[in-house]
Amino acid sequence: QKEVEQDPGPLSVPEGAIVSLNCTYSNSAFQYFMWYRQYSRKGPELLMYTYSSGNKEDGRFTAQVDKSSKYISLFIRDSQPSDSATYLCAMSANSNAGNMLTFGGGTRLMVKP
Amino acid sequence: GAGVSQSPRYKVAKRGQDVALRCDPISGHVSLFWYQQALGQGPEFLTYFQNEAQLDKSGLPSDRFFAERPEGSVSTLKIQRTQQEDSAVYLCASSHRDRVNSPLHFGNGTRLTVT
Repeated sequence: QKEVEQDPGPLSVPEGAIVSLNCTYSNSAFQYFMWYRQYSRKGPELLMYTYSSGNKEDGRFTAQVDKSSKYISLFIRDSQPSDSATYLCAMSANSNAGNMLTFGGGTRLMVKP
Repeated sequence: GAGVSQSPRYKVAKRGQDVALRCDPISGHVSLFWYQQALGQGPEFLTYFQNEAQLDKSGLPSDRFFAERPEGSVSTLKIQRTQQEDSAVYLCASSHRDRVNSPLHFGNGTRLTVT
């Protein structure tokens, strides 16, 4: 079983919908939690970054971390067709490999106009 | 400034050929990572450099894979005697510091196809 699990989708929603994306993980050493967005044939770009448990909001995006349940979420409000992409959760812990990230497999999101 | 640059963007190799993939990180970035991303999967860690020192190569799949960063800037990932299972996108990422809370910036990757 992988350290970070993510439903691959695809997730198809109408424009304007609220989107919920989730990851579970098994390594309790993870302290930093990130969401990356990856468009087709592009590299991942950082969307949200949170430390430990709690919520963080940035515009239409809200990231939630529940370390007790080993569960993180990304919510997208008022989704737009331009949000159509693959969303990758990523996590890191203190280790000899600096800020090495462990990724989930990604969820493909399609927002239909 | 410019982001992480990778070349070539696409590479087709016949099985058994050697390939070299180049990464130009953001200027001044200390940490450099290589990741491998198979189709429909998330990136998987290959190796990590702090300046010119390769501190972790535990993710390299076999001894056919070799990475270097001799002057602490540009890095090259070399794959010898390529196999079909090496077909993937190879992503390079860099960050300003090696701290666990320093975000990674990714290039657009090199898509390697082994025929």
